[in-house]
Amino acid sequence: GENVEQHPSTLSVQEGDSAVIKCTYSDSASNYFPWYKQELGKRPQLIIDIRSNVGEKKDQRIAVTLNKTAKHFSLHITETQPEDSAVYFCAASMNSGGYQKVTFGTGTKLQVIP
Amino acid sequence: ETGVTQTPRHLVMGMTNKKSLKCEQHLGHNAMYWYKQSAKKPLELMFVYSLEERVENNSVPSRFSPECPNSSHLFLHLHTLQPEDSALYLCASSVVGVGEQYFGPGTRLTVT
Repeated sequence: GENVEQHPSTLSVQEGDSAVIKCTYSDSASNYFPWYKQELGKRPQLIIDIRSNVGEKKDQRIAVTLNKTAKHFSLHITETQPEDSAVYFCAASMNSGGYQKVTFGTGTKLQVIP
Repeated sequence: ETGVTQTPRHLVMGMTNKKSLKCEQHLGHNAMYWYKQSAKKPLELMFVYSLEERVENNSVPSRFSPECPNSSHLFLHLHTLQPEDSALYLCASSVVGVGEQYFGPGTRLTVT
């Protein structure tokens, strides 16, 4: 089955700096890569996603890149703000018997220091 | 309430109890999921229902029993749980064939 590794497990940055979270996946059949943000005590929420036919996607301060050959994908947050502090999960998804099977990474706890 | 709702939000149960978790989605989706979230572990997929048919049972012990009576409702029936089953149980829904999943707020379960 699919295996997703995520690094780092914790990340502290100064407000205004950039943050980068990296993930790798093992199964080339994965074709959809969502990123979720989970604030303390709240549900995971999708913040950005990328499909395998695209190399990069940007939404304001957040961008995601995908290298299919190397099976790497990364989340980039620029001009970080204290409200960006949360746990971020990457995931790799593939079609499995008619539904999308999602495998999550172990999460990165991001702390933005004011 | 819109989106995906879960009840109860918190549950404490003894190892001999029987309880059920409920999930309801108001998004018109046709796939529903149960995940277990434990500290320092990735989200673990437990069960998947696609078009009301169970399509995934990820080696989950039989003390967890899912039920999907229709595309809007999902239950997780619990019996004779162990303390290590204490975790946050998250429900999610999506459109079949589309990867984006929407999560409920979760049920924080404590087994004593």
